[in-house]
Amino acid sequence: QSALTQPASVSGSPGQSITISCTGTSSDVGAYNYVSWYQQHPGKAPKLMLYDVTKRPSGVSNRFSGSKSGNTASLTISGLQAEDEADYYCCSYARSNTWVFGTGTKVTVL
Amino acid sequence: QISLKESGPTLVKATQTLTLTCTFSGFSLSTTGVGVGWIRQPPGKALEWLALIYWDGDKRYSPSLNSRLTITKDTSKNQVVLTMTNMDPVDTATYLCAHSLSVAAAFDYWGQGTLVTVSS
Repeated sequence: QSALTQPASVSGSPGQSITISCTGTSSDVGAYNYVSWYQQHPGKAPKLMLYDVTKRPSGVSNRFSGSKSGNTASLTISGLQAEDEADYYCCSYARSNTWVFGTGTKVTVL
Repeated sequence: QISLKESGPTLVKATQTLTLTCTFSGFSLSTTGVGVGWIRQPPGKALEWLALIYWDGDKRYSPSLNSRLTITKDTSKNQVVLTMTNMDPVDTATYLCAHSLSVAAAFDYWGQGTLVTVSS
């Protein structure tokens, strides 16, 4: 069970949109619509931003959206803000009832 | 509101067994669907899922660490315990526990984590 593949870093200017990809296999991302995304600021616990590919928990800005195609899921942040600068991790439910996290992406707001 | 807190030793020696406790409030681990998982994060590195226990006692482990992990629950104490045997310096990480609302669900509430250093 290998970690899901994410770009190491993504950057954008305030107000722009960025997309973070999360590539897995037919045993995890491609098999289930149980992909979640977490935001983690330095020294803080991860925060759930999206679940079940596209759903936002209460209180999460609608600037965050998700999608999935085949074995790749994506997180899009629109109207990028300084507070969005953080690390982002995807996570997928996988066969044998396990979970696998992504390699993580550092988002920089220029 | 839901809260979780990890506790355990901050320093262990190589080959020793690590025992961590997740004490939670705001939910019951006897409620259908609920689970509590453990995730770790080495300094400067990515999150890694370790194990999860469900309300009905079903346990799931990371395939790569399965032989070293044991997860148990004490519903009356609102605690989940993770043990990891044969610790190695590469196991140095922040260990976090998290709540899951239902089977296959995301981790919606997290503890702050506890840093465990393994010395050689």
